[in-house]
Amino acid sequence: DGGITQSPKYLFRKEGQNVTLSCEQNLNHDAMYWYRQDPGQGLRLIYYSQIVNDFQKGDIAEGYSVSREKKESFPLTVTSAQKNPTAFYLCASSTGLAVTDTQYFGPGTRLTVL
Amino acid sequence: GNSVTQMEGPVTLSEEAFLTINCTYTATGYPSLFWYVQYPGEGLQLLLKATKADDKGSNKGFEATYRKETTSFHLEKGSVQVSDSAVYFCALAAGGTSYGKLTFGQGTILTVHP
Repeated sequence: DGGITQSPKYLFRKEGQNVTLSCEQNLNHDAMYWYRQDPGQGLRLIYYSQIVNDFQKGDIAEGYSVSREKKESFPLTVTSAQKNPTAFYLCASSTGLAVTDTQYFGPGTRLTVL
Repeated sequence: GNSVTQMEGPVTLSEEAFLTINCTYTATGYPSLFWYVQYPGEGLQLLLKATKADDKGSNKGFEATYRKETTSFHLEKGSVQVSDSAVYFCALAAGGTSYGKLTFGQGTILTVHP
């Protein structure tokens, strides 16, 4: 079955540590995204990538970094510079960046900073 | 900038009741409009979408019509079930400097009682 997988489902981090969230898709999509969801709020875009080896900052990129070395993979690193990292992180992909393209979401990773 | 406003929740209904969740938007150009649904602890699933004015998206008994004159995309269902209990997000995709980005409303929690 085609889809998007994210791991781990739950992640705990101590303050000052960097952590990397995994996102893999087998939909053959060119574009991939990372969103952050906080309780009672909509999603906010962190980074997105249109093609391999290219990515762009979204609205809240500070304290995060990404890489896109393979079409299938778009890992997100939450660095110690991110002031309030506890949140639900969602990865998505789409065929492209056209306004009409649908973004499909993975199951999410819940990050808690202890 | 672009924005999406959803009706305040939570919404509580009895099974078989009629559902309306209001969504209005502000955007430049000709956005596409989406409704996503999120079940507890999961990622977002596309419920329906519309890509131009007067289009009606429909899926699983849910419907929404893209009304450019009122900048609205209200979600409706004629008879809700307990299994429809979830959080519903309205979102838009627009071009220009927002290329590749989904702008979300804050979400509406729906609870359906037997």
